[in-house]
Amino acid sequence: DAKTTQPPSMDCAEGRAANLPCNHSTISGNEYVYWYRQIHSQGPQYIIHGLKNNETNEMASLIITEDRKSSTLILPHATLRDTAVYYCIVRVGGGAGSYQLTFGKGTKLSVIP
Amino acid sequence: DTAVSQTPKYLVTQMGNDKSIKCEQNLGHDTMYWYKQDSKKFLKIMFSYNNKELIINETVPNRFSPKSPDKAHLNLHINSLELGDSAVYFCASSQEGGNYGYTFGSGTRLTVV
Repeated sequence: DAKTTQPPSMDCAEGRAANLPCNHSTISGNEYVYWYRQIHSQGPQYIIHGLKNNETNEMASLIITEDRKSSTLILPHATLRDTAVYYCIVRVGGGAGSYQLTFGKGTKLSVIP
Repeated sequence: DTAVSQTPKYLVTQMGNDKSIKCEQNLGHDTMYWYKQDSKKFLKIMFSYNNKELIINETVPNRFSPKSPDKAHLNLHINSLELGDSAVYFCASSQEGGNYGYTFGSGTRLTVV
């Protein structure tokens, strides 16, 4: 699976949009971009994923550049409960089994009152 | 309803003991996983397992063994526990071909003394 690069930490004011960048310059054509987060002492939580089109769900939006070498996770109105470590992962396919998730160091997002 | 449940939540044991951590998922997923998160907070895949194959991370000592009595359960058995086994262990599940990511349990904090 392709490697990803994320900033180690970011701050965001409560109520503002949090924009978390991820670089994945070696991504292959069949690799998806996944985002997970881990709130302190809890298990990781799936947020969103995409292949090449932008995606939106009830939690966040995912913007993938046209060349697919980078992406941005957007939390439109950050709350204190969004404070967590956010992981950007690229992985072959949309399924399970041998296509295992490999976690990097992630970005520690702190939402500030 | 808890989707992926692990027991126990906390486990303190002495070196050399054998222990098991249980995991159950009620999502109907066909693939389950075990991850280890060490004191530096890195999440590492240990095993992935479905009814077709067991994939073992080559860095996992053979003292660790997954046991699956049925599709909804994947237990982790650890022999001859060592101090370095102290970590948080997360169980997860997913559906082959599904596009909704992995669902993680809340973790088991293992402390070896």
